[in-house]
Amino acid sequence: QSALTQPASVSGSPGQSITISCTGTSSDIGGYNYVSWYQQHPGKAPKLMIFAVSDRPPGVSSRFSGSKSGNTASLTISGLQAEDEAYYYCSSYTSRKNSLFGGGTKLTVL
Amino acid sequence: EVQLVESGGGLVQPGGSLRLSCAASGFTFSSYWMHWVRQVPGEGLVWVSRIKEDESEINYADSVKGRITISRDNAKNTVSLQMNSLKAEDTAIYYCVRGVGGSRYFDSWGQGIVVTVSS
Repeated sequence: QSALTQPASVSGSPGQSITISCTGTSSDIGGYNYVSWYQQHPGKAPKLMIFAVSDRPPGVSSRFSGSKSGNTASLTISGLQAEDEAYYYCSSYTSRKNSLFGGGTKLTVL
Repeated sequence: EVQLVESGGGLVQPGGSLRLSCAASGFTFSSYWMHWVRQVPGEGLVWVSRIKEDESEINYADSVKGRITISRDNAKNTVSLQMNSLKAEDTAIYYCVRGVGGSRYFDSWGQGIVVTVSS
């Protein structure tokens, strides 16, 4: 069972918007609305940013939004800020009763 | 405030065993699935195992099946991971994680504990 596919890196300037894609299959992303996204700064534990494809937990900025089309989910960060620089991981529940993560995307704020 | 504190990590030889524990506080532990997720430093997150609130359902990643056992003690608010026949590729940071709705998402993470398998 392979990891979900994410781009290794994305970058953007402060104030711009970026989108990170996450591609799976009909057995995971395409089959369930259980896609979540996590932010991880170096040396820190991951933090939940988006759940159930597009919902935000309390305290997470509205600059973060999620969507899904078919087997691909996306995380969009608008109005980029320096503190957004981090690794981002997608995750999905799967038909095998386990969870898959993406390989991670490094976001660089230029 | 939700707190998850892992313990029990360290250096172990290939083929050896280690037991990780996670002490939970700040929430009704017996109402949540609990998971372990690991991460090789510099690499991505990998889901390892999960256990239902009443232990009636347990699942493992294929890479650890048969070598790792997850358990919980709802009276002590702890979840454990017994790891046997350890391999070099089990070297990672292990996170104790609270799951919502089974595996719909992971809303609270421990700080992680390092496991190193090396001779």
